[in-house]
Amino acid sequence: KNQVEQSPQSLIILEGKNCTLQCNYTVSPFSNLRWYKQDTGRGPVSLTIMTFSENTKSNGRYTATLDADTKQSSLHITASQLSDSASYICVVSWDNYGQNFVFGPGTRLSVLP
Amino acid sequence: DSGVTQTPKHLITATGQRVTLRCSPRSGDLSVYWYQQSLDQGLQFLIQYYNGEERAKGNILERFSAQQFPDLHSELNLSSLELGDSALYFCASSVGPDGEQFFGPGTRLTVL
Repeated sequence: KNQVEQSPQSLIILEGKNCTLQCNYTVSPFSNLRWYKQDTGRGPVSLTIMTFSENTKSNGRYTATLDADTKQSSLHITASQLSDSASYICVVSWDNYGQNFVFGPGTRLSVLP
Repeated sequence: DSGVTQTPKHLITATGQRVTLRCSPRSGDLSVYWYQQSLDQGLQFLIQYYNGEERAKGNILERFSAQQFPDLHSELNLSSLELGDSALYFCASSVGPDGEQFFGPGTRLTVL
């Protein structure tokens, strides 16, 4: 069964600090992995997308890594800001007709002043 | 602004009633997805349409139905509403049958 797990479930850090969020998946055949940011009460917004051949992708202070062999991805946030407080969702896609993606449960990040 | 519009923004109704949520995808997008997000929960995929045809079905209840019209807008119909149906309902769209999904602002449904 295609599944995505994320850890930690929630995280509290101080403004200016770095943090790393984890995503583990059991998806086959793998197509791509996306990280989304969801502010409370708003729709998710895509941060990065990585295919099988990519092992790192950056978007400003956000850097995602992918290890397709171990089926793990991480999202590293550098120099956190209060506006980084949100849920971060990992979404993995596979090659298939019909439903071909699965959302992780998300990590809720709180950045405190 | 993602370019995806959803109406209404808020909806308050009573148990047993039926409501219709509407979504207009980004210009040029052929695929529409519907999601349910209950309080403090993750996004639950309900259903996907591509160019007017149902493409994928997730955890959609039999009391719920959807369709995509020739102009590509979509409607999600929720009937025999229960208290547990109270949630945020998001619509997303993408250019093709798979690909980056752009989410709308959501419709907040409250069932009393």
